[in-house]
Amino acid sequence: KAGVTQTPRYLIKTRGQQVTLSCSPISGHRSVSWYQQTPGQGLQFLFEYFSETQRNKGNFPGRFSGRQFSNSRSEMNVSTLELGDSALYLCASSDRASYGYTFGSGTRLTVV
Amino acid sequence: AQSVTQLGSHVSVSEGALVLLRCNYSSSVPPYLFWYVQYPNQGLQLLLKYTTGATLVKGINGFEAEFKKSETSFHLTKPSAHMSDAAEYFCAVSDQGNNDMRFGAGTRLTVKP
Repeated sequence: KAGVTQTPRYLIKTRGQQVTLSCSPISGHRSVSWYQQTPGQGLQFLFEYFSETQRNKGNFPGRFSGRQFSNSRSEMNVSTLELGDSALYLCASSDRASYGYTFGSGTRLTVV
Repeated sequence: AQSVTQLGSHVSVSEGALVLLRCNYSSSVPPYLFWYVQYPNQGLQLLLKYTTGATLVKGINGFEAEFKKSETSFHLTKPSAHMSDAAEYFCAVSDQGNNDMRFGAGTRLTVKP
């Protein structure tokens, strides 16, 4: 069974630009969550999608958005990038809450 | 909302020594509890989980954790540390039936030869 796939693995963007990150969950998993990981703030929850609907949302500004498609693949978008958005963005998929998450390897975003 | 506190951002042990990583949680409803491990430049890997039933749970790589409701704790242990255990470990909690999982700040484990 293929794992959670995140693309791209590395990304360098300039301040003010926007970026789209992609996540393909494990086949059959309908829940996809996104996390931002930085040395200073640790793992912070961005949002969770289930069956194309945003079910939970963390405390991030509106520049951070996401969506989920009918095949459960998910994208997250960050507009008007700031230096502080530099981080490892992790996607995780789940079949149900009791099973825990399976994480992808992440996308490392650097904003210059 | 649920939350997790991991005591000690860095833990150092000698190879062969006991590993003890501490985690306390806060949840208004019965929680699901998890431990994850992260190696450099990788995602998180599930070590073990507690959902219901037996309070002592065993995971991969010889790790185990005990859910203690009275102490709101879920500490991770391993009897004998190996060099390959050096990594960052995260405790996480979610409310039953809710996929909103919250992570602790992480504990970096160093294993000395």
